[in-house]
Amino acid sequence: DTVLTQSPALAVSPGERVSISCRASEGVNSYMHWYQQKPGQQPKLLIYKASNLASGVPARFSGSGSGTDFTLTIDPVEADDTATYFCQQSWNDPPTFGGGTKLELK
Amino acid sequence: EVQLVESGGGLVQPGRSMKLSCAASGFTFSNYGMAWVRQAPTKGLEWVATISYDGSSTYYRDSVKGRFTISRDNAKSTLYLQMNSLRSEDTATYYCTRGTVATGFAYWGQGTLVTVSS
Repeated sequence: DTVLTQSPALAVSPGERVSISCRASEGVNSYMHWYQQKPGQQPKLLIYKASNLASGVPARFSGSGSGTDFTLTIDPVEADDTATYFCQQSWNDPPTFGGGTKLELK
Repeated sequence: EVQLVESGGGLVQPGRSMKLSCAASGFTFSNYGMAWVRQAPTKGLEWVATISYDGSSTYYRDSVKGRFTISRDNAKSTLYLQMNSLRSEDTATYYCTRGTVATGFAYWGQGTLVTVSS
């Protein structure tokens, strides 16, 4: 299976820019997606196919990358962005998720 | 508005069975592939199974093959997950999702908790 590696946690101040990385153990073309999950809620799609903003998602969120290295950027970060962010690949079977990056605000 | 509402979770003993349902609305259910994704308590997300739009093709993660069956009733706009021979490691919140390879899992239900314990 394709393993997706994310940093466990990040802490940033409101108004700053933050980049969350996801590295795949093998190439996934551009088929990387990003989700936000707040405590007690279901995940929400933010970015699909590496760089496409999902419907209704603020333009503060953006995605980049291809192959094995991908980045989710939030600029500027707001207090409401406190959540865990997961990457997920759909190029190789089975679909797999990263372990998640917990974003905390200082 | 797309809505996915899961039901059927609860406490079940190891080795027993449980069937989850997901009622879909707000879109033409028969046009979309559907999937189940689970999340163990305080853990990450794990894809479980996928079914094609017409039910002709199904896919499972290795750890549930032969135990779980995904199915659908397009006339009722409902997705199912039949889970047999349940194990403690199947304990998780199970989410019904709509998605494609290109779009990821674009829509999620609120989830239903399955606890496998004696």
